[in-house]
Amino acid sequence: ETGVTQSPTHLIKTRGQQVTLRCSSQSGHNTVSWYQQALGQGPQFIFQYYREEENGRGNFPPRFSGLQFPNYSSELNVNALELDDSALYLCASSRLVPSNTGELFFGEGSRLTVL
Amino acid sequence: QKEVEQDPGPLSVPEGAIVSLNCTYSNSAFQYFMWYRQYSRKGPELLMYTYSSGNKEDGRFTAQVDKSSKYISLFIRDSQPSDSATYLCAMRVMMDSSYKLIFGSGTRLLVRP
Repeated sequence: ETGVTQSPTHLIKTRGQQVTLRCSSQSGHNTVSWYQQALGQGPQFIFQYYREEENGRGNFPPRFSGLQFPNYSSELNVNALELDDSALYLCASSRLVPSNTGELFFGEGSRLTVL
Repeated sequence: QKEVEQDPGPLSVPEGAIVSLNCTYSNSAFQYFMWYRQYSRKGPELLMYTYSSGNKEDGRFTAQVDKSSKYISLFIRDSQPSDSATYLCAMRVMMDSSYKLIFGSGTRLLVRP
């Protein structure tokens, strides 16, 4: 059973640029969530995807967008990067079924630095 | 006021000590309560999850939930240097057809050999 994998692990961008982060969910999982973790803070929920549709969103502007593909992998896109977007971006997968506790399994993250 | 409050530490203890980590929360809608461990520059790793008030034990770890006081704890017995990490409490809340986790800011733990 493979875990959640993310790419790239590190990247540096400048203000105004766009970035795409990628995630492969754990085998058997059909739901992907993205979280942003600023230095010294806990992760903050960005959005969740299920059956290729966004089905929940946190307090993030529309320039944060995502996709989920038929194989349950996912992308996070951020446009018009700002300095405050510098953070560790975490992808988490789970199985969304009514009786499930909704345990989230996280990847190692993509560390984005915006200069 | 944050929905989940967690002392950032750092908490420094000698090897073998019993460690107590705590979080308080304000939202009664929180359902599941989780503890994650995060090593430096790594993703969070799920340690424990609980639903009801009371204790849940797994090896050296015990998770405790008191819903009436809106207080959760994680106890680590016989702490080891390898336990040195940041511990994040997290609480699940439903949103329409999905759910999200609300995390505390994390407590840094250092176990000295």
